Amino acid sequence: QQPVQSPQAVILREGEDAVINCSSSKALYSVHWYRQKHGEAPVFLMILLKGGEQKGHEKISASFNEKKQQSSLYLTASQLSYSGTYFCGTGTDNNDMRFGAGTRLTVKP
Amino acid sequence: GAVVSQHPSWVICKSGTSVKIECRSLDFQATTMFWYRQFPKQSLMLMATSNEGSKATYEQGVEKDKFLINHASLTLSTLTVTSAHPEDSSFYICSAPSGISNEKLFFGSGTQLSVL
Repeated sequence: QQPVQSPQAVILREGEDAVINCSSSKALYSVHWYRQKHGEAPVFLMILLKGGEQKGHEKISASFNEKKQQSSLYLTASQLSYSGTYFCGTGTDNNDMRFGAGTRLTVKP
Repeated sequence: GAVVSQHPSWVICKSGTSVKIECRSLDFQATTMFWYRQFPKQSLMLMATSNEGSKATYEQGVEKDKFLINHASLTLSTLTVTSAHPEDSSFYICSAPSGISNEKLFFGSGTQLSVL
């Protein structure tokens, strides 16, 4: 079953912040975040493996609440290069990856 | 990071023909590869899991006889769309897990299939 992502789309001005949420109805072993630009393959951003884990990558960070089966991706001081569609992928005990519907982020100058 | 090569990048074919898409892990071995399908502005939908040396595992609703998967070696998986029809037109993308515990997915560049 696919995880649920919200919001579906976000429009920001350069320098603004955004939060993208991902939730699942199934127990999660891992949460993965990817960014895909139009016509390109998804690019790995980060993975969270443990409940309560937080990670950061430049100005992009994420948290994983294992009990709530949720993860959030935080983009701070957004840059034009952050534009793209963000997908969360959730791993279960079967080690397969299911992706959310995606959140389209547009950063304007 | 690990590199996954996918070919061709795009293909246009006539209805009724078969198309083969290759996915190679260039600098690592992949006993498992995943095949996804993506329609415009939609998410990646898992089609099947390719397993080296054994049969692929297909997701519910995916026709095994239409989407043939062969994982012949530890670095190569192929997806053949047999008797393609216009409704099969889509972006097909493969991925392979890598990392210390195979926790990261590395994607091929994708194949845009257009069936006329």
